[in-house]
Amino acid sequence: DVKVTQSSRYLVKRTGEKVFLECVQDMDHENMFWYRQDPGLGLRLIYFSYDVKMKEKGDIPEGYSVSREKKERFSLILESASTNQTSMYLCASRDRAYEQYFGPGTRLTVT
Amino acid sequence: AQSVTQLDSQVPVFEEAPVELRCNYSSSVSVYLFWYVQYPNQGLQLLLKYLSGSTLVESINGFEAEFNKSQTSFHLRKPSVHISDTAEYFCAVTPDNYGQNFVFGPGTRLSVLP
Repeated sequence: DVKVTQSSRYLVKRTGEKVFLECVQDMDHENMFWYRQDPGLGLRLIYFSYDVKMKEKGDIPEGYSVSREKKERFSLILESASTNQTSMYLCASRDRAYEQYFGPGTRLTVT
Repeated sequence: AQSVTQLDSQVPVFEEAPVELRCNYSSSVSVYLFWYVQYPNQGLQLLLKYLSGSTLVESINGFEAEFNKSQTSFHLRKPSVHISDTAEYFCAVTPDNYGQNFVFGPGTRLSVLP
């Protein structure tokens, strides 16, 4: 069974804090993704990575950065959290048949 | 760039009735197409996908979708829904070259009523 885990289910941070969201997959997938999910907007791609240390911007990268030092781990960093970054964050990894496997999500609230 | 439209944000339907959830996309290149489902308080999971071959694809729980290239559509259908089909359904596309930049629609919330 493919497993994608995320470090926290719920997180509350203050404006201006640096926030780290961690994602780990156990199926040796090369491609990993970070999305945010907001009501009425669906999922929007923040960043993706196709290999260790390789990353590409998605549709909404502003205010975010990522790190992929090991194949199984993909981290999303909010350098200075703002209230408009309050959202559900979803991590996914993709197999060679183009199926994405999603983690349970992290609901981040920035106050 | 690609975009995905799901015109119906909410679809209420009675149990055992048929349902169609609509998905249209826009793309200047060929794409792969997907339907993902999110059950209440659960993560997203793949329902079905079209990569190539037969334009009609089916899931294990009775859903089917048909890729129509001329109408740029990938509508999802089920002839008879169950209460357990209540969920949010997302249509998604990705260019058929590297399959990295996935674009999701806004989602359709299907509510099956007893």
